[in-house]
Amino acid sequence: QKEVEQNSGPLSVPEGAIASLNCTYSDRGSQSFFWYRQYSGKSPELIMFIYSNGDKEDGRFTAQLNKASQYVSLLIRDSQPSDSATYLCAVNMAGNEKLTFGTGTRLTIIP
Amino acid sequence: DAMVIQNPRYQVTQFGKPVTLSCSQTLNHNVMYWYQQKSSQAPKLLFHYYDKDFNNEADTPDNFQSRRPNTSFCFLDIRSPGLGDAAMYLCATSRVGSGASTDTQYFGPGTRLTVL
Repeated sequence: QKEVEQNSGPLSVPEGAIASLNCTYSDRGSQSFFWYRQYSGKSPELIMFIYSNGDKEDGRFTAQLNKASQYVSLLIRDSQPSDSATYLCAVNMAGNEKLTFGTGTRLTIIP
Repeated sequence: DAMVIQNPRYQVTQFGKPVTLSCSQTLNHNVMYWYQQKSSQAPKLLFHYYDKDFNNEADTPDNFQSRRPNTSFCFLDIRSPGLGDAAMYLCATSRVGSGASTDTQYFGPGTRLTVL
């Protein structure tokens, strides 16, 4: 079983709709959770981090964490073509300075 | 602006010819990481420095070495590049410990390595 799993996609969403990206993780000791956006040929760019159960909102982005279900998601409201990218979920354990990455979900926003 | 800088952005080398990639940061972060990322794959951690302490991943080939002469700079040396080493090499930094609330990693722009 992979430590961090994401649906590789591609996920196609119409412009203006809500894009929902999901991530599950296997280590119950995981403490911090990150979403990175990566455009083709570019480096990962931090979108959000979350470490408490519940929702965290930042503009059009909402991260949701459910530690009991070992599940973290990213919602993108009012999707724009510029949101088309690969979204990487990353997880780390308390006291461990390393991140474990999922393989990413490729998102395409259709105009 | 505080940032992570990588040089060069593009590097072309010949099979077996040593190459060095560099990373510098103005964030004053105590941890620096080197990742290898191939097309459509997740970043793969090669090693990291926690302050001056070097931490190698078990599956990192001996062909890859690293140096961190001071807090701001870190280098990735590939002693004898093979065709399979062609990839994007990403440097990242984070602040860990000393009451830091998260271990967020910030990435540089990457170096695209081509091996001929």
